[in-house]
Amino acid sequence: DIVMTQTPLSSPVTLGQPASISCRSSQSLVHSDGNTYLSWLQQRPGQPPRLLIYKISNRFSGVPDRFSGSGAGTDFTLKISRVEAEDVGVYYCMQATQFVTFGGGTKVEIK
Amino acid sequence: QVQLQESGPGLVKPSGTLSLTCAVSGGSISSNNWWSWVRQPPGKGLEWIGEINHSGSTNYNPSLKSRVTISVDKSKNQFSLKLSSVTAADTAVYYCARYLGGQQQAFDYWGQGTLVTVSS
Repeated sequence: DIVMTQTPLSSPVTLGQPASISCRSSQSLVHSDGNTYLSWLQQRPGQPPRLLIYKISNRFSGVPDRFSGSGAGTDFTLKISRVEAEDVGVYYCMQATQFVTFGGGTKVEIK
Repeated sequence: QVQLQESGPGLVKPSGTLSLTCAVSGGSISSNNWWSWVRQPPGKGLEWIGEINHSGSTNYNPSLKSRVTISVDKSKNQFSLKLSSVTAADTAVYYCARYLGGQQQAFDYWGQGTLVTVSS
């Protein structure tokens, strides 16, 4: 199994300030087809998860451009350029290179 | 817009079988996608259970494979989950979701989730 490890567990952020979440996989996420299937999801309180980013850095339809993804191999990052109140929730990284596994989640909250 | 809705018993006895159905609307289950189940124990993270496509091909989480069956009913535009020999550890919110294959390989539409409690 590919294990996904996220840090930090919790990220208190001031409104308007940036936030950054790291995700590390236990082995390379480069698929045999050459793509890296790493995505990011947001889960607001009481809601199902919502897709933000797929294939490391591609924003899904309707996702604000303050969200960006980067990384390669085993190390990935989600950045929120200026945190807004609606960004409060838990963020998960997810790999789909070998079956599907999720990171443990990072809680973003307002200071 | 695709919508997914989970349904099924909210309480299952230990050693019994959990059975849930996901009704798909706004799109065809026969489209070129995979249809998945994901669960989330209260206050914890997400766990992929498995997936099925319109032709009935399945993939399961190796850790649950011996207990899971996912099936599809194209006539009703829905798919189902059965998890056998349940214990308290299977208590969770169960989500159904559409999985985009191809160049995306990600979940784009999710149901609202349904809480299933395993208790006598």
